[in-house]
Amino acid sequence: QIVESGGGVVQPGRSLRLSCVASGFTLSSFGMHWVRQAPGKGLEWLAVILYDGSNQYYADSVKGRFTISRDDFKSTVYLQMKSLRDEDTAVYYCARGATRLDIWGQGTMVIVSS
Amino acid sequence: EIVLTQSPATLSLSPGERATLSCRASQSVSGYLAWYQKKPGQAPRLLIYDASHRATGIPARFSGSGSGTDFTLTIGSLEPEDFAVYYCHQRSTWPQTFGQGTKVEIK
Repeated sequence: QIVESGGGVVQPGRSLRLSCVASGFTLSSFGMHWVRQAPGKGLEWLAVILYDGSNQYYADSVKGRFTISRDDFKSTVYLQMKSLRDEDTAVYYCARGATRLDIWGQGTMVIVSS
Repeated sequence: EIVLTQSPATLSLSPGERATLSCRASQSVSGYLAWYQKKPGQAPRLLIYDASHRATGIPARFSGSGSGTDFTLTIGSLEPEDFAVYYCHQRSTWPQTFGQGTKVEIK
């Protein structure tokens, strides 16, 4: 099971950190992803952190603004979001992924608005 | 980045009919393509991974095929719960990407 939290309403230019708590599996054995869906739009892959934390990869749309990290002792993955823009408004999903994104959380809503 | 183009954008069908969804990649993704089902207010659900492997618990009416740049998701006989948006997703190259989605709606 995966549970996201940390969403809310934030002003443009501000920061927000999302959390993703995993249970029922060993987090350190899996890469973990963040995916979002803006209102009325499709799914957008954002970022991944590999199972051992050795590498992270990002979509161009968030590179340099978002940072993915993990704390395996807390079974938690984070998405630190900076310099938020209106277009970052979306539901943010965390997903477990090695060869596929097979377990997803229910998402947390982020609204960027002044 | 690899662009995934799904067609058609919308598919209008009746329960019991066969649905054929297409996903075309801007460059080869080998067999590293998955399909997800998305319903409003719900998390995405993995259907097919690595082009043709059904995920755990997915009914046999869902099947996937293809390799390289052209992929197909087939729903053999639509059930009422299958009306949703379907996305393809490639893990071949960073950044990973999703297609824009195909909505399967009730005719």
